[in-house]
Amino acid sequence: EAGVAQSPRYKIIEKRQSVAFWCNPISGHATLYWYQQILGQGPKLLIQFQNNGVVDDSQLPKDRFSAERLKGVDSTLKIQPAKLEDSAVYLCASSLLLAASSYEQYFGPGTRLTVT
Amino acid sequence: QKEVEQNSGPLSVPEGAIASLNCTYSDRVSQSFFWYRQYSGKSPELIMSIYSNGDKEDGRFTAQLNKASQYVSLLIRDSQPSDSATYLCAVNDDYKLSFGAGTTVTVRA
Repeated sequence: EAGVAQSPRYKIIEKRQSVAFWCNPISGHATLYWYQQILGQGPKLLIQFQNNGVVDDSQLPKDRFSAERLKGVDSTLKIQPAKLEDSAVYLCASSLLLAASSYEQYFGPGTRLTVT
Repeated sequence: QKEVEQNSGPLSVPEGAIASLNCTYSDRVSQSFFWYRQYSGKSPELIMSIYSNGDKEDGRFTAQLNKASQYVSLLIRDSQPSDSATYLCAVNDDYKLSFGAGTTVTVRA
């Protein structure tokens, strides 16, 4: 079974530029998550989709971050304009069920973003 | 996001010893608990899940859950250099996961 795919793996941009990340979840996984992981910290949830609907985006900085999941499969996360503090690894994860007893999430390789 | 606290590291253990990792959580209604392993520069990998009080063993890993004390732990028996990584505790927060900051384990030969 193929895992979660993400691209690009690395990105370096200047502040105030824009950037987009792409994620393809494990086949059949209805729930997709975007996390931000700053060095030395645990992943922080940015947004969660169930199929193509948003379940939770309470921690997404909506003035600069946006995300979509068209057709309930692939997803893109965009930052516009980027700030220095956005330098982090952006992780995409997916899970099969949205149920109280099963939150097993599987992560993609991540995109390491450096904002200069 | 709910609080998930892990014992501060780094934790250094000799090869063959037991590594003990601890995690406490603030939300008494949490029902699902996970341990992820994250190698340097890599993404988190799910290694254990536990849903009921007591112990769950999988190879050299044992997860222990005590919901009354809001405490979950991970034991790594016969530690190997390949176990050197950061271990993240995750707890369900309604329909999403809250992660701790992680404990870095170094297994010295």
